[in-house]
Amino acid sequence: GAVVSQHPSWVICKSGTSVKIECRSLDFQATTMFWYRQFPKQSLMLMATSNEGSKATYEQGVEKDKFLINHASLTLSTLTVTSAHPEDSSFYICSARQALLGAADTQYFGPGTRLTVL
Amino acid sequence: AQKVTQAQTEISVVEKEDVTLDCVYETRDTTYYLFWYKQPPSGELVFLIRRNSFDEQNEISGRYSWNFQKSTSSFNFTITASQVVDSAVYFCALSEDQGGGNKLTFGTGTQLKVEL
Repeated sequence: GAVVSQHPSWVICKSGTSVKIECRSLDFQATTMFWYRQFPKQSLMLMATSNEGSKATYEQGVEKDKFLINHASLTLSTLTVTSAHPEDSSFYICSARQALLGAADTQYFGPGTRLTVL
Repeated sequence: AQKVTQAQTEISVVEKEDVTLDCVYETRDTTYYLFWYKQPPSGELVFLIRRNSFDEQNEISGRYSWNFQKSTSSFNFTITASQVVDSAVYFCALSEDQGGGNKLTFGTGTQLKVEL
């Protein structure tokens, strides 16, 4: 159980275009999903917290107009990188929070999406 | 503010050796949760363990074991009889709310290379 998928696994796009990345919790409902960014050989940096049915909460320094997040259902959150530029090239990872009655919550991570902007 | 330090950037061992990955954390909260995740070359983070701040019992799962010591704010991870498949980046993480349901603060990771 607790499987999270991401699509696409990799994408190459031209500068100035927009790219949408999907994050799905396959076997549980996730009221909260998280989006992280990871540069090569670096740690994961939280970009935003996505709550189903409400606006995402962005971390300091993350442009909300550039990284659009939508969490329309309990199993799907999307991240759209608008007007992508080469500096947006990175590995984007989502996670979904599995809330368990009587136990601590845990975040399960998707396989990541490697974005390359030419 | 919470912080996680993994001082070992890279460790290389020969197969069958035991290896310990260090993790030191900082937090002001009395209730918090600690995690270890494995990131193989494929990139996907694999959940290994969650420990809450009130449970200092050491845990063993197969070749993996964890040593949690609040007195030194450490949550170290030991792999016994390492195997090539253990080669990956290992991240220690801390959450101050709801067991990881809220923000996770990650350490910088330790690259483990297990060679034949």
